[in-house]
Amino acid sequence: DAGVTQSPTHLIKTRGQQVTLRCSPKSGHDTVSWYQQALGQGPQFIFQYYEEEERQRGNFPDRFSGHQFPNYSSELNVNALLLGDSALYLCASSSSGEANTGELFFGEGSRLTVL
Amino acid sequence: RKEVEQDPGPFNVPEGATVAFNCTYSNSASQSFFWYRQDCRKEPKLLMSVYSSGNEDGRFTAQLNRASQYISLLIRDSKLSDSATYLCVVRGGSYIPTFGRGTSLIVHP
Repeated sequence: DAGVTQSPTHLIKTRGQQVTLRCSPKSGHDTVSWYQQALGQGPQFIFQYYEEEERQRGNFPDRFSGHQFPNYSSELNVNALLLGDSALYLCASSSSGEANTGELFFGEGSRLTVL
Repeated sequence: RKEVEQDPGPFNVPEGATVAFNCTYSNSASQSFFWYRQDCRKEPKLLMSVYSSGNEDGRFTAQLNRASQYISLLIRDSKLSDSATYLCVVRGGSYIPTFGRGTSLIVHP
């Protein structure tokens, strides 16, 4: 039973570029949330996808966008990268059904460095 | 005031010690509470949920105080392997979990 998988694991970009991060949720999960974790901070909620739609959004600018596919996998896109976007980007999956215990299952993250 | 606040530490304790962390939350309508553990440069993993009556899992005890809006985590008989960052997580009416910044624990021989 595969857990949450994310790609790429590490990447380096320059200011102004665009990046796409990918996530496959745990088997049986239909909800994907994205978090940004800066060094020394807790994960900050970016947005959540369910049934291919953005269900909730945190306090992030429109440069951050996402998508969920019919197989529940998801992408996070960040445009016009800033130095401050350097962080670990975590994908978390969960189930919306009766099996939902509230637990989030995280992938190992994509570590983005913006130069 | 931040939604979820934690003392970042680090808490530096010897093996075998008992250590406790507190976490305060601002939204009185919060419904679910959790402690996650995050090892260095790894992803967070659920340590335990926190129930209203308090709950215990081996050496770990979690408590919830709704009146004062805080949760706590007690670790008894600390092991070197307990060294990690402990993240307090609160879920309110929006059902989106909000994370604290984490408390760093270092257990030394």
